[in-house]
Amino acid sequence: SQKIEQNSEALNIQEGKTATLTCNYTNYSPAYLQWYRQDPGRGPVFLLLIRENEKEKRKERLKVTFDTTLKQSLFHITASQPADSATYLCALPFVFGPGTRLSVLP
Amino acid sequence: DAGVIQSPRHEVTEMGQEVTLRCKPISGHDYLFWYRQTMMRGLELLIYFNNNVPIDDSGMPEDRFSAKMPNASFSTLKIQPSEPRDSAVYFCASSLDSGGRGNQPQHFGDGTRLSIL
Repeated sequence: SQKIEQNSEALNIQEGKTATLTCNYTNYSPAYLQWYRQDPGRGPVFLLLIRENEKEKRKERLKVTFDTTLKQSLFHITASQPADSATYLCALPFVFGPGTRLSVLP
Repeated sequence: DAGVIQSPRHEVTEMGQEVTLRCKPISGHDYLFWYRQTMMRGLELLIYFNNNVPIDDSGMPEDRFSAKMPNASFSTLKIQPSEPRDSAVYFCASSLDSGGRGNQPQHFGDGTRLSIL
């Protein structure tokens, strides 16, 4: 069955540094991969979608890469801020990963 | 524009009672999804609809769960009878037509936190 793993349950980084979150998947060949942000007590919020023929996509301080050979996506937040603290979920079509809880320390 | 609206936000009830969760999707969205989120299992897809028709209900845990979408602006998820292991946060989401390919962003409501005592 399809499986998504995200590199760690929690990640702590210092403000201003770049946060890198990893998403690995198996038993799937997705044409698209999405990243969402979830704050406590709220539903996930869509951030970025990347297609299989796109190696990289950027939106402001966010960057996503998609390597279909490695079956991996990397999600980067540059110049991180405490306001970036949240859980980040990667998603294949209709399947979500477990999420990584990011804490940006001032 | 209003986002996805779910009600109630919180529900506490006793085991064996019927529970009905409600969802109003974003107007114009063709797809509606019901998810369940727990610490142990994460965010799981229960069922999704396209143009009010159930497409895939393979995630519905058992016959105690049922979902309906009588029109484009309303859906319900019902649990009868409820059990303590059904305690979770239930999310509804909607999206534009993706042709079933999942390539459209999903817009989530803020969920219903369900506690079965």
